[in-house]
Amino acid sequence: DAGITQSPRHKVTETGTPVTLRCHQTENHRYMYWYRQDPGHGLRLIHYSYGVKDTDKGEVSDGYSVSRSKTEDFLLTLESATSSQTSVYFCAISDKAGGDVAAEQFFGPGTRLTVL
Amino acid sequence: AQRVTQPEKLLSVFKGAPVELKCNYSYSGSPELFWYVQYSRQRLQLLLRHISRESIKGFTADLNKGETSFHLKKPFAQEEDSAMYYCALSRADSSYKLIFGSGTRLLVRP
Repeated sequence: DAGITQSPRHKVTETGTPVTLRCHQTENHRYMYWYRQDPGHGLRLIHYSYGVKDTDKGEVSDGYSVSRSKTEDFLLTLESATSSQTSVYFCAISDKAGGDVAAEQFFGPGTRLTVL
Repeated sequence: AQRVTQPEKLLSVFKGAPVELKCNYSYSGSPELFWYVQYSRQRLQLLLRHISRESIKGFTADLNKGETSFHLKKPFAQEEDSAMYYCALSRADSSYKLIFGSGTRLLVRP
């Protein structure tokens, strides 16, 4: 497995509380991504980063914010968790491949979040 | 809008039977297509990509631009192929973002 860890691996929280998930990589890859995985929807991109302090929104970014102050860490924050944010969250990393070829993404083990 | 469609949520076959997991996409440019696989209690990982034109674990996938499809095929399924399979599309921009389909669970029965 590529050097990607996620913490915590499991979390149960209550509606309205803030939650921060951490993704840590040791591969020095430039790009980092946060996805959520839900039955019937596959993986959907929440936010991504293309460098330190450079982030952008994905297709389901409402209710989420991110920060990347170091190459190796990408934090996902739910400012006020809701039950609809109960999901499995995956972090992924990639680096630029040669030419215009898209690079393979390497995935972390996932974080299962339950919002009661 | 870019979209990836996997019409089957579950595909159940017997060991030794041929397998075809369907994937259709909509994209106005020249896409890059991938198949990712998630085995039980393992991380999501790349299975194959169309530009490689290679066979991985006996699986192949051909990009058909006319039908906008990228179906995954294997002539003889094995029990260890049981997993969740996701088709994904990468846009031709600098973000390397992936758009995933909803996934197909393949169950290979003995």
